Parts: sequence; structure tokens; C-alpha cells
Amino acid sequence: EVQLSESGGGLVQPGGSLRLSCAASGFIFKNYAMNWVRQAPGKGLEWVSGISGPGDGTFFADSVQGRFSISRDNSDNMLYLQLNNLRAADTAFYYCARDLAHGGSTTFDYWGHGTLVTVSS
Amino acid sequence: EIVLTQSPAFQSVSPKETVTITCRASQNIGGSLHWYQQKPNRPPKLLINYASQSFSGVPSRFSGSGSGTEFTLTINSLEVEDAATYYCQQSSSSQITFGQGTRLDLK
Repeated sequence: EVQLSESGGGLVQPGGSLRLSCAASGFIFKNYAMNWVRQAPGKGLEWVSGISGPGDGTFFADSVQGRFSISRDNSDNMLYLQLNNLRAADTAFYYCARDLAHGGSTTFDYWGHGTLVTVSS
Repeated sequence: EIVLTQSPAFQSVSPKETVTITCRASQNIGGSLHWYQQKPNRPPKLLINYASQSFSGVPSRFSGSGSGTEFTLTINSLEVEDAATYYCQQSSSSQITFGQGTRLDLK
């Protein structure tokens, strides 16, 4: 059974940093691209970032380019999102999502339950 | 950025009715359009990928069609459990985008 479990969310001040983690199990992790998708409370979905299966390709939404970075550890089945220079507009639930593809971000077939990031002073 | 516009934004329907949700893309995206269902306080679930391919385990009453700039999600013989918000998403561009969502209430 595919399982994705996010952690690392919390309250952070504007300009601060946070690192989100996603633990994956139930599938061959290195064979799938992985993504982060966020949802502000009561709002719609926004794709944030993706990473290829081997980790040699990374992709970012324009809204986070230069502030967020994505990485993965295929030996440990872990996905990470480093959030820097956070803004109030980054407040959201952050979901880890598996991609149907190996090489890049396409469509998201399994999702974690999300971790809440709140940016506020 | 490719903008996806869903209609309607909200619909109230009765069980056993058929509902159609439309997703229009601001430019040609071929068949790179996917549909998700999200219930309150739950993560989204993939229903349809590449416009018309049903994801594993999705009930047959859900179907998708379309290409280019206009796509539809059809739900036949609605059940109470289908009350949710539905989103379309495109993967034609490296900047992946979602529609704003269609909330479906069951009467």
C-alpha cells in the first residue's frame, strides 16, 4: 500500500525558514518523480515543486522559484522541501504527492495528508 | 502560465442525477488534463488522468473527455458520497496549474 507522510510544518515568522519532510513507503521510491502541492486554508490547489526519480531534475512554480528547494534521499525513501524567506502568502497545507511519471511533474496519483505551514508574526 | 477555468463554480444536485463539469484551458494542452476529487479535510484523489483514463479503483460512473482547450468530467447517477470539490489540472506546461475548483453539493 502506497503511504506518504509529511512532517515539519509549524508556525514561522515572515522571512524565516522551514524544512518539510515526506516519508514514503509501499512502492519503489526511486522509480517515481515526487511533488509538493499546497493549499491555503479554504482555497484551491497550487503545485509548488517537483523532482525526478533519480533527483537530477527539479522544477518549481514561479511563485517559489529562488526561495524553495526540493531534494530527495532514495536510500531512505524521503522527500524534502526547504522553504526560505517565507511570506504570509506561503501559509498553507503542504501535501507530498507521488507522480505517475519517472522524469518530471505530470499528474499526482497518491497524496499524503499534509502538514500545515503558518507564516505569521 | 496556462489558466484553467472551471464551470460551474458550485452546483447543487440530487442523488441519481448526472452532472457535467467543464474545464477550459487558456491554450491548447492536447490531452494533458487530469481530474481530482477532494472532500473536506482530506487530500485530493486522482479520478481521471490524460483527459479520459480512469485511475485504478475509481467507480465507473466517473468519466472524462475532451482535448485541446475544452474538457469535461461527467458523473453519472450521482451518489451521496460524491459530494466534494473537483479540480482539473494540466501538465502540458512545466508550470503545472489547477482550475479553481467546482464544489458539488448533494441535495
